[in-house]
Amino acid sequence: EAGVAQSPRYKIIEKRQSVAFWCNPISGHATLYWYQQILGQGPKLLIQFQNNGVVDDSQLPKDRFSAERLKGVDSTLKIQPAKLEDSAVYLCASSLGGGGNYGYTFGSGTRLTVV
Amino acid sequence: KQEVTQIPAALSVPEGENLVLNCSFTDSAIYNLQWFRQDPGKGLTSLLLIQSSQREQTSGRLNASLDKSSGRSTLYIAASQPGDSATYLCAAPNFGNEKLTFGTGTRLTIIP
Repeated sequence: EAGVAQSPRYKIIEKRQSVAFWCNPISGHATLYWYQQILGQGPKLLIQFQNNGVVDDSQLPKDRFSAERLKGVDSTLKIQPAKLEDSAVYLCASSLGGGGNYGYTFGSGTRLTVV
Repeated sequence: KQEVTQIPAALSVPEGENLVLNCSFTDSAIYNLQWFRQDPGKGLTSLLLIQSSQREQTSGRLNASLDKSSGRSTLYIAASQPGDSATYLCAAPNFGNEKLTFGTGTRLTIIP
């Protein structure tokens, strides 16, 4: 089966600019997650979708971050405006149902550098 | 709130040695525990998934164990190779919210 696809792989932007990341989960996976991984730390959940509904966005900085999952398939994560501290790897993951029973499959991530 | 700890933070061993990576968690109400590998600048590759009803899983030279009562999991790597050099992360989702909580990882270096 094809894996979780993410693009772009790398992005460099100046602070206060906007940026968007795209994720295509494994076909049939109902649950999609966006994680932020700052260098030297473990990934931190930003938002969890079940089909096209938001399950958990408690750690999403909603003043600058937004995410959507249209038609319960692809998802985009946007940052506007970006800050220096947003420099991180943004990881998308999907799961057949809840990850609790089926485990998670991660994409290769998008490395964002804000200068 | 679940907390996951991995010790040591970094480990260097000569090629060919067997090694153990440790993961501890504070809340034993977990569905499963998953071990991942991460190469520098890359995403996460799933290595092993242990369901809460299981005690261990094996894949090739890798063996992962789970002891919920003590809140611990170990990843055993046999006959280490330079290609095993990477950061290894453990993570567990909790009952109720299924949010995956990660440890900070162990950076493994295999010395040829």
